Amino acid sequence: IAGITQAPTSQILAAGRRMTLRCTQDMRHNAMYWYRQDLGLGLRLIHYSNTAGTTGKGEVPDGYSVSRANTDDFPLTLASAVPSQTSVYFCASSAEAGGTGELFFGEGSRLTVL
Amino acid sequence: GQNIDQPTEMTATEGAIVQINCTYQTSGFNGLFWYQQHAGEAPTFLSYNVLDGLEEKGRFSSFLSRSKGYSYLLLKELQMKDSASYLCAVRDSNYQLIWGAGTKLIIKP
Repeated sequence: IAGITQAPTSQILAAGRRMTLRCTQDMRHNAMYWYRQDLGLGLRLIHYSNTAGTTGKGEVPDGYSVSRANTDDFPLTLASAVPSQTSVYFCASSAEAGGTGELFFGEGSRLTVL
Repeated sequence: GQNIDQPTEMTATEGAIVQINCTYQTSGFNGLFWYQQHAGEAPTFLSYNVLDGLEEKGRFSSFLSRSKGYSYLLLKELQMKDSASYLCAVRDSNYQLIWGAGTKLIIKP
């Protein structure tokens, strides 16, 4: 089934630990994104990649890093998790960075940092 | 700063019509999106407007007025499955999406 796969779907993590959220898409989309969603707030962009080999910072990049070694994969790493990073994380992709293209979202990764 | 405003919660009756408003102030405008998000699930695309006017797609319609910084999503013949959050998002001059906090729509029988 075509789409975006995120892993893990849920994780409880001790503060200070390193964590990587995985994201894979099979739609050959050029652009990929990582968002966090917190109650009462809109989706906030963490990092994005307009094409394989390039990445950029979004609205809330501090404490997170990404890489885009190929078209399909876009992992998000928390180098040293803090409780304020407790959130639901969504990976998304679109055919191109701009234009009329809709975003396709993964099912989300619920992360709790204690 | 950039801002997207939409009501936090709305309630409507099954079979009725509901209009969800969205006002925006962004640095530039390159289109407005509406997404639907059921509780615990991922957002899914509903509509896209870049020119003024009404876009109709089945029971759902979306309207845009760029001069007023205003959009609405109109849902007709409401069904229980329409209970969800509806997210408004604007693409700014840098082609980044700015998201509203979403409107939780509750449908009552």
